[in-house]
Amino acid sequence: GDSVTQMEGPVTLSEEAFLTINCTYTATGYPSLFWYVQYPGEGLQLLLKATKADDKGSNKGFEATYRKETTSFHLEKGSVQVSDSAVYFCAQGGSEKLVFGKGTKLTVNP
Amino acid sequence: DAGITQSPRHKVTETGTPVTLRCHQTENHRYMYWYRQDPGHGLRLIHYSYGVKDTDKGEVSDGYSVSRSKTEDFLLTLESATSSQTSVYFCAISGTAQSNNSPLHFGNGTRLTVT
Repeated sequence: GDSVTQMEGPVTLSEEAFLTINCTYTATGYPSLFWYVQYPGEGLQLLLKATKADDKGSNKGFEATYRKETTSFHLEKGSVQVSDSAVYFCAQGGSEKLVFGKGTKLTVNP
Repeated sequence: DAGITQSPRHKVTETGTPVTLRCHQTENHRYMYWYRQDPGHGLRLIHYSYGVKDTDKGEVSDGYSVSRSKTEDFLLTLESATSSQTSVYFCAISGTAQSNNSPLHFGNGTRLTVT
């Protein structure tokens, strides 16, 4: 069945470091791909999305490109901030419901 | 803010008791979902609804039932709570009648502890 695999955490970085969180998916067809972020004590929020191959989603300095050939949607940010500390979830959706990865916890230290 | 309210926000209950969690939306969205979040498992879909009185099972539906008698409310019931159902439960909504692939908007969760 459809699935999403993302890198295990936790990830700890210093402020202004470069961030990559890997995400790959298996699906029939061409699903939309999403990154969600969860701050402590809150529900998930959509961070960015891409709906077709080679699309790049971007928001708040984060980017991810839909790579059909490698079935990947890696999340990147050039310079992280302490406020980016959160749990990040990759997800795919091709029908009525999304399939989520297990989440990657990011901690950014000053 | 997508206008989703979950109640209660926290609940402690005893094994074997029934529990109902409520999700209320003000957005008139067609799709509503119940997820549970557990360490090491991420989010897992329990049940979802694609319209009034139209529901379907997710990947972890055993021990749970749902009802949707009107567009704005989606109830999750644990008929007889067990300790394995201790979790954080999230409701989410999505879409309009024209789209079934729009992003999810989540509530702030209900932390349920079964003792």
